[in-house]
Amino acid sequence: DQQVKQNSPSLSVQEGRISILNCDYTNSMFDYFLWYKKYPAEGPTFLISISSIKDKNEDGRFTVFLNKSAKHLSLHIVPSQPGDSAVYFCAASGEGAQKLVFGQGTRLTINP
Amino acid sequence: ETGVTQTPRHLVMGMTNKKSLKCEQHLGHNAMYWYKQSAKKPLELMFVYSLEERVENNSVPSRFSPECPNSSHLFLHLHTLQPEDSALYLCASSHLTGRGNTEAFFGQGTRLTVV
Repeated sequence: DQQVKQNSPSLSVQEGRISILNCDYTNSMFDYFLWYKKYPAEGPTFLISISSIKDKNEDGRFTVFLNKSAKHLSLHIVPSQPGDSAVYFCAASGEGAQKLVFGQGTRLTINP
Repeated sequence: ETGVTQTPRHLVMGMTNKKSLKCEQHLGHNAMYWYKQSAKKPLELMFVYSLEERVENNSVPSRFSPECPNSSHLFLHLHTLQPEDSALYLCASSHLTGRGNTEAFFGQGTRLTVV
């Protein structure tokens, strides 16, 4: 039973355009959501997070949107740059939880 | 540099070998984790240590044995592994507060190949 799902295994975007990565979750107890970025042969690095009391959080080129009623969150990257090419993982946790639950990841490729 | 260091970066071992993976964090965190990443699968949580006590063991086979001697160090002892155990093993740490978790910081991982 996968509680966090990223249904697109890969995404290809033109440099300078917007990249939109999607994530769905099933556990209504989740109240904290994160996005991680992973390059080959490296561990995931934290990118941006959002608490369930918000519906949007912005940090530079990265914005995360949360739709609690749909149990859906998305990561927008604009403008996309070649260095953004990586695997992006969505993760979630619940209040008091001691672990993060990860999605399968989406491989983003930015084409010049 | 994330403040979480894993050694070795690469490990090839036979099915009868015994080896250990090491993780060290310099972030003052109070929780440490072992994750397994296999091809085309989500990151799988294996073990959670909070304040040096194991608080979660996600049905991991006994051929994987964790050890957390203090809040800065975490080991994963391996013995009689199977080829399907070949994967990237990631260590992470975080700071647990009364409200729960904060973001986890990951090491670079150990790429394990069982032959």
